[in-house]
Amino acid sequence: EVQLVESGGGLVQPGGSLRLSCAASAFTFSNYAMTWVRQAPGKGLEWVSAISGSGGSTYYADSVKGRFTISRDNSKNTLHMQMNSLRVEDTAVYYCAKDSRVGATGYYLDYWGQGTQVTVSS
Amino acid sequence: DIQMTQSPSTLSASVGDRVTITCRASQSISSWLAWYQQKPGKAPKLLIYKASSLESGVPSRFSGSGSGTEFTLTISSLQPDDFATYYCQQYNSLWTFGQGTKVEIK
Repeated sequence: EVQLVESGGGLVQPGGSLRLSCAASAFTFSNYAMTWVRQAPGKGLEWVSAISGSGGSTYYADSVKGRFTISRDNSKNTLHMQMNSLRVEDTAVYYCAKDSRVGATGYYLDYWGQGTQVTVSS
Repeated sequence: DIQMTQSPSTLSASVGDRVTITCRASQSISSWLAWYQQKPGKAPKLLIYKASSLESGVPSRFSGSGSGTEFTLTISSLQPDDFATYYCQQYNSLWTFGQGTKVEIK
């Protein structure tokens, strides 16, 4: 069964950095684009970033562009997101999710991790 | 950017009710629309993709319709397990989610 397990969340001060990871299993990781989606407390879902299966193409929401960097290590079946210059408004649960279609980016998300909490506060 | 607007934001219903949620896109997205269900403290779960295709394992009481800019999610007979928040998501151009519709017990 497909599993996505996020880690790396925590409490950080404004302006600080965090690196999130998502360990994937039970599918051919390099064949699928991966996405980060976040959810602020009591709010809806917000797409944050995506990366193609090869890692050669990356996409960012305007709200994080220039501050967050998505990457992947296909040899370790792991997705990462480096988050710099964190702001209070970045506080959220961050989910990694798998794109549904082999070899493509930008389809619906068929599997999601359980999420990791990021809290930005002084 | 494509904006997605769901209505209503909250819906009060009883077990056995037929429930309809609407999602409107700010421009045509063809049929590139998915619906997700989310329960408190849990990750979203895919219900419907390509506007009307039922994800494997999802009960047949869930159905989706629409194309272009207007879409609906229908639950034909609401069950206790269906009280949750529902999100639409366009994937015509990157991804955008609607703001969510909370289905609560009447």
